[in-house]
Amino acid sequence: RKEVEQDPGPFNVPEGATVAFNCTYSNSASQSFFWYRQDCRKEPKLLMSVYSSGNEDGRFTAQLNRASQYISLLIRDSKLSDSATYLCVVNRPHTGTASKLTFGTGTRLQVTL
Amino acid sequence: GAVVSQHPSRVICKSGTSVKIECRSLDFQATTMFWYRQFPKQSLMLMATSNEGSKATYEQGVEKDKFLINHASLTLSTLTVTSAHPEDSSFYICSAYTGGYTFGSGTRLTVV
Repeated sequence: RKEVEQDPGPFNVPEGATVAFNCTYSNSASQSFFWYRQDCRKEPKLLMSVYSSGNEDGRFTAQLNRASQYISLLIRDSKLSDSATYLCVVNRPHTGTASKLTFGTGTRLQVTL
Repeated sequence: GAVVSQHPSRVICKSGTSVKIECRSLDFQATTMFWYRQFPKQSLMLMATSNEGSKATYEQGVEKDKFLINHASLTLSTLTVTSAHPEDSSFYICSAYTGGYTFGSGTRLTVV
């Protein structure tokens, strides 16, 4: 089983639609969770961290269910500029200062007119 | 915010040659640098972790003699792909830990 699993998509949605991405992770000891966005042939950029209580940043809402080891990202009112690959990222439990990150393969979103 | 400058952005080299990729932290000191590789339509895979002044630690399956990492200063970490082969063609990217993770812009390596 992969450490972080995502539906690769692609998700093709019209502008203005709401779209949800899901992710599961295998290591129950993981403590930090993130959603990154990666444009084609570019570096990943942090979209948002994911907290147990759930968190929202504008049109983006992230949820975490530790019991199910499940993370989600909801994008409301999709824009053309949201087209990208969304990476679910989980830290590996560690003893040092900087923990290693494990990336999912990403879910590709294409927003169309 | 913190910036990691990665060079070169693209490189094409002949099979058997070596390629050096540099990551410099601008305006901050990077004690720890992570090196990743990403093949098309796959996730970023951690290759190794470098800490300033000490040997890098490599992930399982990554050949340390092939992928040489040097982190001699707090602002520079380098990855050298030695005796590159076509199967080493990939997107290589570094990330510095600064309380959060700052990524370089990546290097697209093509070995012909």
